[in-house]
Amino acid sequence: GIQVEQSPPDLILQEGANSTLRCNFSDSVNNLQWFHQNPWGQLINLFYIPSGTKQNGRLSATTVATERYSLLYISSSQTTDSGVYFCAAQGSNDYKLSFGAGTTVTVRA
Amino acid sequence: GAVVSQHPSWVICKSGTSVKIECRSLDFQATTMFWYRQFPKQSLMLMATSNEGSKATYEQGVEKDKFLINHASLTLSTLTVTSAHPEDSSFYICSASRQGGAEAFFGQGTRLTVV
Repeated sequence: GIQVEQSPPDLILQEGANSTLRCNFSDSVNNLQWFHQNPWGQLINLFYIPSGTKQNGRLSATTVATERYSLLYISSSQTTDSGVYFCAAQGSNDYKLSFGAGTTVTVRA
Repeated sequence: GAVVSQHPSWVICKSGTSVKIECRSLDFQATTMFWYRQFPKQSLMLMATSNEGSKATYEQGVEKDKFLINHASLTLSTLTVTSAHPEDSSFYICSASRQGGAEAFFGQGTRLTVV
């Protein structure tokens, strides 16, 4: 199946800072999603983005499918942005969504 | 978006007993649902694919007799952990997609503790 790698594994930010999270995947994709896992464990859908660029408030994402990577941008970070961010991809010839190891973001006031 | 509801949110059970977890798609029909398991500080690992009206498909290394999956309707899949043991303690989470769609939506998850 498709391999998904996320970097960095951990990120510590001062409130107000901007950051970029990266997701590399090993094959062409039908689906590429970014999630934020809250402290209770629920996965919050951030973006469904198999290609192109999307923005939602202070968050935006870009997927360059031909180069097999996706980026999640957090601007003007807030303490509520803390948590684990997962990238997950479904290969074109696959039925399942494979998750990266996640990036743990800590935003300090 | 689409709403997937999972119940219960947490459960504590005694070793040797069975626990059933429900996953419902509230505002759409799902012919396929997925069950994941997540250990502390780790990522999500797919356990099985639940297919409405047919047998579930299990990932390699997942015991089908221990983790029974039933997908009796287009809006409900259940995962039963049979004869639970402390090593089965984990966070279990389901997902579903709208028919014809690729975007996955996840339930709130169930934290299982076996004592």
